[in-house]
Amino acid sequence: SQELEQSPQSLIVQEGKNLTINCTSSKTLYGLYWYKQKYGEGLIFLMMLQKGGEEKSHEKITAKLDEKKQQSSLHITASQPSHAGIYLCGADMEYGNKLVFGAGTILRVKS
Amino acid sequence: DVKVTQSSRYLVKRTGEKVFLECVQDMDHENMFWYRQDPGLGLRLIYFSYDVKMKEKGDIPEGYSVSREKKERFSLILESASTNQTSMYLCASSSFDLAGGPGEQYFGPGTRLTVT
Repeated sequence: SQELEQSPQSLIVQEGKNLTINCTSSKTLYGLYWYKQKYGEGLIFLMMLQKGGEEKSHEKITAKLDEKKQQSSLHITASQPSHAGIYLCGADMEYGNKLVFGAGTILRVKS
Repeated sequence: DVKVTQSSRYLVKRTGEKVFLECVQDMDHENMFWYRQDPGLGLRLIYFSYDVKMKEKGDIPEGYSVSREKKERFSLILESASTNQTSMYLCASSSFDLAGGPGEQYFGPGTRLTVT
């Protein structure tokens, strides 16, 4: 969706390196969901952020929502081949019970 | 564990055929969604339903219809399949969160449909 821009579109990193994926909107995000998708499969929920400045971590993945609630970043520390896949952000933009999704970021991790 | 299942992982149909994609969830969720996913375009919402027999158009409903006769089941119908409907189709379900917002969506494994 053009309402939600993800960057970069794709990323290749060496195993062990850190990386960041961004999700940006021109509108306020009332909830921001990060998902991971392995090629050809469904989406797996990673974490959800609601409050400005909120930060959550799960294993080596940390997600933050900025104070203005218009941008979220997903940071992976010491990347591993198991982190490879497509990362998508989905946002509650107060359109009722729908989420708006970004186009996704393809991550490849080289061993 | 929430489980969302889709009737087929892979499907090949001919142009003009009527195609049914089925989705079943076992968590008593009110909301169910059908998306299609295409490279570079991300997930696009086709239709969603917030209750039995209720449906609302998403962003790209043309060429599709849906049916929700039971709470756990949401079907996507391609009345006359066309080659531009070749795509990955993903079903999802959710419950409203405590604040009445959309809540986390749980996704099925997807159906890769090829129309020849």
